[in-house]
Amino acid sequence: DTEVTQTPKHLVMGMTNKKSLKCEQHMGHRAMYWYKQKAKKPPELMFVYSYEKLSINESVPSRFSPECPNSSLLNLHLHALQPEDSALYLCASSQGAGVYQETQYFGPGTRLLVL
Amino acid sequence: AQTVTQSQPEMSVQEAETVTLSCTYDTSESDYYLFWYKQPPSRQMILVIRQEAYKQQNATENRFSVNFQKAAKSFSLKISDSQLGDAAMYFCSYYSMDSSYKLIFGSGTRLLVRP
Repeated sequence: DTEVTQTPKHLVMGMTNKKSLKCEQHMGHRAMYWYKQKAKKPPELMFVYSYEKLSINESVPSRFSPECPNSSLLNLHLHALQPEDSALYLCASSQGAGVYQETQYFGPGTRLLVL
Repeated sequence: AQTVTQSQPEMSVQEAETVTLSCTYDTSESDYYLFWYKQPPSRQMILVIRQEAYKQQNATENRFSVNFQKAAKSFSLKISDSQLGDAAMYFCSYYSMDSSYKLIFGSGTRLLVRP
C-alpha cells in the first residue's frame, strides 16, 4: 500500500483566516514533505521532516507553519495568507530522507484558494 | 547545480501507438536516482517508473519503459500501446546527495492521447 491521504481536498480562505492542512500515511515512512504547486509548473519543495524533526525549510514565509505530531501525521498551519499563496499543496512521504530511501509517494493534494 | 530538462512542453499520440518523452539532466554524481511521475487532471502525482543510476538495465513497468543513457545524461520514457488514461503531465525528476536529497523536477511534458 503506497497511500498518502490529504484533507481537505479543497479549501477557500480569507486573508485573515487560520486553517490547517492535514496529511497522513501508514506506510511506516519516516520522512514527510510539503510541496506547493502552481498551475502548469512542477512542485516546489517547502518543508521536509525526517524522523519527526524539521530538516529542510526552503525559506518559506512564516505564515506557513508545519507540524509533525507523530511519524504518520503532517500538518501545515496557514495564517494571514496572500492571494498568491493560492495553489495545490502536495504532501509526500518516503521511507527516509537519505539517498537509499529516496522514492517519494504523493498524496492527492489540497487545492487552496485565498481570497 | 543539478538541473533536469524536458524539452517537449507538449506531445500528442494516437491511442494504441507508442510515444517517447525526453529528459536530460546535469550532475557530477555517479550515484543517483531518476524518476518519471505522472500527474493527470485529478492532480495526484503518481510514480510511473524509477531508475537507479548504478543499474545498467533499463527499468520497465508494464507498458512503460525507460532508455537510460548515463554517459549522455539522458532518461527518456517510452509509453507503448498508449491509452486514453495516459493523458497527463509527465515530470522527470532527479534525486541524489548533490541535490541535498531533494527531488529536482523538470518543467513537465503534457501528453495528449487522441482517440
